[in-house]
Amino acid sequence: DTAVSQTPKYLVTQMGNDKSIKCEQNLGHDTMYWYKQDSKKFLKIMFSYNNKELIINETVPNRFSPKSPDKAHLNLHINSLELGDSAVYFCASSQAGPGRTKVAFFGQGTRLTVV
Amino acid sequence: AQKITQTQPGMFVQEKEAVTLDCTYDTSDPSYGLFWYKQPSSGEMIFLIYQGSYDQQNATEGRYSLNFQKARKSANLVISASQLGDSAMYFCAMRETGRGAQKLVFGQGTRLTINP
Repeated sequence: DTAVSQTPKYLVTQMGNDKSIKCEQNLGHDTMYWYKQDSKKFLKIMFSYNNKELIINETVPNRFSPKSPDKAHLNLHINSLELGDSAVYFCASSQAGPGRTKVAFFGQGTRLTVV
Repeated sequence: AQKITQTQPGMFVQEKEAVTLDCTYDTSDPSYGLFWYKQPSSGEMIFLIYQGSYDQQNATEGRYSLNFQKARKSANLVISASQLGDSAMYFCAMRETGRGAQKLVFGQGTRLTINP
């Protein structure tokens, strides 16, 4: 009964490869996100989708392409992986609404290592 | 532009003591939300507590409370009766309300270590 689940948990790949990370939420939320956590633990938003519509794209290289087939899923595809893409990627979801309903719940993270 | 500042890179506390983790924020939006998340060594992000900018009372969730001082733009997390399992990274985050502002901005985090 995991609320926000992302796969895989670990991903090791060579430079230049293309990879995808999948995310699904069963909370009925209408907004989903991708965040990147760097080696210093700093978390920064990459993308936000609301009801399958892209709302936020935070100066992310166009090698990163999110796709939301429906409001319960938000996948992240990365082309031509570079060493600097190594990080932990978190998927999250939240619901529009007042106060505490806006709490974002996170998946367990995907640790991407590019070698 | 939003900004969240956590000035304590690391904190060391004896078990059973209370601990306060500092967070200051900067925003020009009158309506915003403040959040604290815990990230244990296993890596997941766990929501702890939420405070809305218009909330009259400080938020509490079990052993967690938020010391919200709006005029000072601070939202410190207080953990009472600390436990060994509280050892983790703690992140303060802010969210603006309103159309199109669907994101959390995080502070740098504070690594809390509880000593037995």
